[in-house]
Amino acid sequence: KQEVTQIPAALSVPEGENLVLNCSFTDSAIYNLQWFRQDPGKGLTSLLLIQSSQREQTSGRLNASLDKSSGRSTLYIAASQPGDSATYLCAVRPDAGGTSYGKLTFGQGTILTVHP
Amino acid sequence: DAGVTQSPTHLIKTRGQQVTLRCSPKSGHDTVSWYQQALGQGPQFIFQYYEEEERQRGNFPDRFSGHQFPNYSSELNVNALLLGDSALYLCASREQGGLNTEAFFGQGTRLTVV
Repeated sequence: KQEVTQIPAALSVPEGENLVLNCSFTDSAIYNLQWFRQDPGKGLTSLLLIQSSQREQTSGRLNASLDKSSGRSTLYIAASQPGDSATYLCAVRPDAGGTSYGKLTFGQGTILTVHP
Repeated sequence: DAGVTQSPTHLIKTRGQQVTLRCSPKSGHDTVSWYQQALGQGPQFIFQYYEEEERQRGNFPDRFSGHQFPNYSSELNVNALLLGDSALYLCASREQGGLNTEAFFGQGTRLTVV
């Protein structure tokens, strides 16, 4: 059974700092990994999708890396801003072998607060 | 493109009642999944629909059922509501043809059972 863990559970940083959020998963047979952002009481916004064959993806100030063999992914946020304050969730989709239709397994999230 | 839309946004029901939540997928998407998110937790997979059939199911009782219509929209039904069913219910859509494609989520329906 796939289990996804995110560390730290919460993080508070001053504006401008670079930071790293961690995600680990127990079963390396994944098809892809996706990072999401969630504002309080809202839905999920997709940030980055990394295919299992890729090592990293970048979008603006965000960079996500994937080490499938060790079961780890990191989300790097450069020059953090107060508007980055939210919960960040990672989710893995299992390998597409057989008839799997690919449910996402989520971590519990990292609550990020960026203060001015 | 309106993205994934869910209705209603908020709902209050009494224990024992039944509820129906609705989801319209992003344009071009044919696969819809439902997730339950309790406060402070990550979303938990309920089930997934493709070609109007339930294709995969998570660890949820039969009180949770669903439907997908020919236009790919979907409904989630929960019978005999329990207090523990109070949660944010999220709908996600993607294009089944490509298993590598991103999942896009709606804004969710906040269900409160009293």
